[in-house]
Amino acid sequence: RKEVEQDPGPFNVPEGATVAFNCTYSNSASQSFFWYRQDCRKEPKLLMSVYSSGNEDGRFTAQLNRASQYISLLIRDSKLSDSATYLCVVFPASGGSYIPTFGRGTSLIVHP
Amino acid sequence: GAVVSQHPSWVICKSGTSVKIECRSLDFQATTMFWYRQFPKQSLMLMATSNEGSKATYEQGVEKDKFLINHASLTLSTLTVTSAHPEDSSFYICSAIPGTSDYEQYFGPGTRLTVT
Repeated sequence: RKEVEQDPGPFNVPEGATVAFNCTYSNSASQSFFWYRQDCRKEPKLLMSVYSSGNEDGRFTAQLNRASQYISLLIRDSKLSDSATYLCVVFPASGGSYIPTFGRGTSLIVHP
Repeated sequence: GAVVSQHPSWVICKSGTSVKIECRSLDFQATTMFWYRQFPKQSLMLMATSNEGSKATYEQGVEKDKFLINHASLTLSTLTVTSAHPEDSSFYICSAIPGTSDYEQYFGPGTRLTVT
């Protein structure tokens, strides 16, 4: 089983739709969680950290479920500009060092 | 804040030559930087963790003698691809974590390497 798994999609949604992605992780000792977005042929950009209590930033809401070991990203009122690949990143705690583990990414296509 | 630069942004080199890529944190100090490689339509692959003042830690399957990493200061890490071959052609991206950050990585814009 991969350490961090994401549905690759693509998710093809109309403008204005609400879409949700999940990301599961296998290491129960994981400490920090993030969502990044990556546009084609560009570097990933930090979208938001994921906190235990859940957090919201405008149209984006992130949730963490430690019991089931997954994080989620909800995008409301999708815009054309939201089309990108969304990567979840998990930092396991391992012997005092920390190595980020990326999911393969979920592709989102928002169409008019 | 939290800006990371990479240089060069793209490079074309001949097979057998070496290429050095620089990664700089412009407005923060980074004790840890990461180097990634990404092939077209594939996910990011972590190559190594670069720690200031110590040897880099390489991921399994990454040749440390081929991909030389030097983290000379708190704001600069370099990756040298030695004796490059066409299969080394890829998008190389670095990231850095500010010392005050809770593991939030900030990525450089990447370097597109083409080996002919």
